[in-house]
Amino acid sequence: GAVVSQHPSWVICKSGTSVKIECRSLDFQATTMFWYRQFPKQSLMLMATSNEGSKATYEQGVEKDKFLINHASLTLSTLTVTSAHPEDSSFYICSARKQLNTEAFFGQGTRLTVV
Amino acid sequence: KQEVTQIPAALSVPEGENLVLNCSFTDSAIYNLQWFRQDPGKGLTSLLLIQSSQREQTSGRLNASLDKSSGRSTLYIAASQPGDSATYLCASFIMIKAAGNKLTFGGGTRVLVKP
Repeated sequence: GAVVSQHPSWVICKSGTSVKIECRSLDFQATTMFWYRQFPKQSLMLMATSNEGSKATYEQGVEKDKFLINHASLTLSTLTVTSAHPEDSSFYICSARKQLNTEAFFGQGTRLTVV
Repeated sequence: KQEVTQIPAALSVPEGENLVLNCSFTDSAIYNLQWFRQDPGKGLTSLLLIQSSQREQTSGRLNASLDKSSGRSTLYIAASQPGDSATYLCASFIMIKAAGNKLTFGGGTRVLVKP
């Protein structure tokens, strides 16, 4: 199957700082990538859809100024958590698919802890 | 709005027993449905993808069925092994022009296979 790589796998940062998470499609081009957030023992919640070369589409309730998404190339999307606070601590996962009718592949996830 | 439900939320079986995991969805106009496995603190591994026109998919000990009319999918895992212990998630994919393409996840079923 296709490979989606996410980096870093875990990060600890101080409150008020910003953190960038990278999502790469290693062996295919992805015009669209998806960012999810997962709280402990809960399912995945879609945060935003990242579109190459254009603005991301955010789900209702997700602050676009806090969660900055950049999709500068067909193989890379980044999520920046700005001015992080402890309540932003969570597991963030990205996803991409080659085509709409094919499987969605997920990155390994990034555990963010804000202290 | 699509809602995906998985029952039971948790399941514990002795090794060798067959597993039956249920997934139901409210909007039958799905494009496809995908089953994933998630190990603690990890990303999602795609298990099976069923297109809306298909009734079932098989991969090794795994078999997934899809009944769009009743809004149900079932994942069968034959002859369970301790290594099958994980959380299993189903997700329906809907293409809506106005709202964008969305993958909606169920809450997951936590499976424990006891040796």
